[in-house]
Amino acid sequence: GDSVTQMEGPVTLSEEAFLTINCTYTATGYPSLFWYVQYPGEGLQLLLKATKADDKGSNKGFEATYRKETTSFHLEKGSVQVSDSAVYFCALVSGSARQLTFGSGTQLTVLP
Amino acid sequence: DGGITQSPKYLFRKEGQNVTLSCEQNLNHDAMYWYRQDPGQGLRLIYYSQIVNDFQKGDIAEGYSVSREKKESFPLTVTSAQKNPTAFYLCASRLRAGTSSETQYFGPGTRLLVL
Repeated sequence: GDSVTQMEGPVTLSEEAFLTINCTYTATGYPSLFWYVQYPGEGLQLLLKATKADDKGSNKGFEATYRKETTSFHLEKGSVQVSDSAVYFCALVSGSARQLTFGSGTQLTVLP
Repeated sequence: DGGITQSPKYLFRKEGQNVTLSCEQNLNHDAMYWYRQDPGQGLRLIYYSQIVNDFQKGDIAEGYSVSREKKESFPLTVTSAQKNPTAFYLCASRLRAGTSSETQYFGPGTRLLVL
C-alpha cells in the first residue's frame, strides 16, 4: 500500500536557521502531496500542497517541490522563527475515497 | 466564519461505556473523515463518508461506529469494544469536486481519556 516516510525528529534549531524536513513516499501513480502543521493541542492546518510533478508548493516562507524521480517532497524554510515550533506532517492522498496517508510527523523546536 | 467544530475538547470514558464525539462542518463539504492520532505517530483513518447516509471503514474501524444522517454532521461513537481508546481524535472534511477537491480541512480535535 501507499506510505510516507518522514525524517525522524525531534529537530531543534536556532532562530533564523535553515530548515529541511525530508519526506519520501511510495505510491501508485502520482498522488497529490501535502504538508500539514500541528500546533500544541490543536488540529492540523494545511501548510502547502503540490498536485503534480515539479510543482512547488509555498506558504509563509515554507516551500516544497514535488520530485517524482526521487519520490520526495522535502519541506524547506530559509529562516525559521520561534513561532514555527510545531509538528509537521507530510501526507499523500490516494484511494477512491481520497483519504490521506500520513508520515509519523516531525517535531520542530526553534530556540530564540 | 466557515469551519469544522468538534466537541467536547476533552472527553472521559469509563470502562464499558460508549461515548460519542461530535463533528459539525458548515463548509458545505461532501466528504467527512475521522482520524485517530497517538503520541509520536501519524494519523490513521477510522471511518469516512463521501455522501449522506453512506460511510465506509478505514484502516482501524474496529471498536468504532459512525452515522451520516446530515451533510453537516458526522458523529463518531467509541464503543466498549475499543480496548485502547485513549487518543486524540480529528475530524476532517473536503469538497468532492473542484480544484481544491483533494484538500482536507481539519477540526480542532477531541482528546479522549479513559478513567
